Amino acid sequence: GNSVTQMEGPVTLSEEAFLTINCTYTATGYPSLFWYVQYPGEGLQLLLKATKADDKGSNKGFEATYRKETTSFHLEKGSVQVSDSAVYFCALSDRTRNAGNMLTFGGGTRLMVKP
Amino acid sequence: NAGVTQTPKFQVLKTGQSMTLQCAQDMNHNSMYWYRQDPGMGLRLIYYSASEGTTDKGEVPNGYNVSRLNKREFSLRLESAAPSQTSVYFCAEGGSNYEQYFGPGTRLTVT
Repeated sequence: GNSVTQMEGPVTLSEEAFLTINCTYTATGYPSLFWYVQYPGEGLQLLLKATKADDKGSNKGFEATYRKETTSFHLEKGSVQVSDSAVYFCALSDRTRNAGNMLTFGGGTRLMVKP
Repeated sequence: NAGVTQTPKFQVLKTGQSMTLQCAQDMNHNSMYWYRQDPGMGLRLIYYSASEGTTDKGEVPNGYNVSRLNKREFSLRLESAAPSQTSVYFCAEGGSNYEQYFGPGTRLTVT
C-alpha cells in the first residue's frame, strides 16, 4: 500500500534560519506529491505540488523536489519567518489506482519559529 | 469564489444526540471527502464521494453516514454521537490535478 513518512516535530528554529522537513514515501504507482500547511485554527492549505520525477514545486519561498530515486519530497525554505509557524503535511496521490483521487497523508510536522 | 464552505464552525452535543455537518463546494469538481483530525493522529478519511450519486467508506466510517445531495453538497451525519467522535472535521474537494482543497473545519465536542 501507499504510505508517507515525515520527520517528527516539533521543529524549532530562529527567524531567518534554513528549514528542511523530510518526507519519504512508498507508492505502488506513479504518485503526485504535495505539501499542505495548516495554521492554528484553520484548515489545510495546498502549499506546493509536483506531479512527476525531478519536478520542483515552489510557493511563498518554499521548495520541494520530487526525487524518485530516493522516494523523497523534502520541504525547504532558505529563511523562515515567525509567520511560517504552522503544521506541515506531506501527501501523495497515486494516480494509477485511485478512482476517488484520494490522498495519503504523513503525520504532520509542527514548525515553531522564534523571533 | 468561496471554495469549500462548512457549517457549523463549532458544535457541542450530548452523547446520543444526532447532527449533520454540511459542506458545499463551488469549484464544480467531482470528488468530495470527509476527514477527521485528532491530536497525534493526523488526518483520517471517513467517507468520500468520487462523483455525484456515489459514496464509499474511508478508513474510519463507523458511526457516520454521508449523503452526496448534488454535485455541490456532501453532508456528514452522526446518528448517535459518542465522546469518541469529539474531533475537528474537515470537508475537502478534489481538484483537476489530484490535489484536494479543504474547508475551514467544524470543531465538534461530544459530552
